[in-house]
Amino acid sequence: DAKTTQPTSMDCAEGRAANLPCNHSTISGNEYVYWYRQIHSQGPQYIIHGLKNNETNEMASLIITEDRKSSTLILPHATLRDTAVYYCIVRLHYTGNQFYFGTGTSLTVIP
Amino acid sequence: DAGVIQSPRHEVTEMGQEVTLRCKPISGHDYLFWYRQTMMRGLELLIYFNNNVPIDDSGMPEDRFSAKMPNASFSTLKIQPSEPRDSAVYFCASSPQRGTGYTFGSGTRLTVV
Repeated sequence: DAKTTQPTSMDCAEGRAANLPCNHSTISGNEYVYWYRQIHSQGPQYIIHGLKNNETNEMASLIITEDRKSSTLILPHATLRDTAVYYCIVRLHYTGNQFYFGTGTSLTVIP
Repeated sequence: DAGVIQSPRHEVTEMGQEVTLRCKPISGHDYLFWYRQTMMRGLELLIYFNNNVPIDDSGMPEDRFSAKMPNASFSTLKIQPSEPRDSAVYFCASSPQRGTGYTFGSGTRLTVV
């Protein structure tokens, strides 16, 4: 049970910001939002995670709504190498609970 | 750090044969996970270990599948006997006790003919 809903696919022009939405309306108060991506033929790669506040790292920014029912992953300047499947996952942080990967969003960055 | 190391990268075997997949987690990571990925079912968790002890094997499809972690630096996933429907990419991942996420290996692509 992935507990998240994402669009199946999206396109983004190279150099523009890619905004990937995720709905997690049943998230509980102590569950974090994680984002991973999987480039073709590779293992999934951790991108970012957050609880309430917006987060930013060298790869992306994560914007979580105030009610925490949805979030957006932002790739500020998409490149062709960002073409991948992006997974949004909710999970308790300080446990060994496994990540359940849903179907994700297939992002295609167009030259 | 070399990351999570899986071997072999590719395996082709005949139906009925035993297959062993290997994983070396990142040193210091207390959690190890085995996932399987197919087009039909996506990424599925098969089993995970904490400090070398199996915690949840509810994702293991049937008794033909078994996994072991004899020490902190090595784990195996064995399929015996293998069947064509076991064809998939098998990923191993590891995580610190209170880490930010998993680090996945490059996977083993298994083809059973």
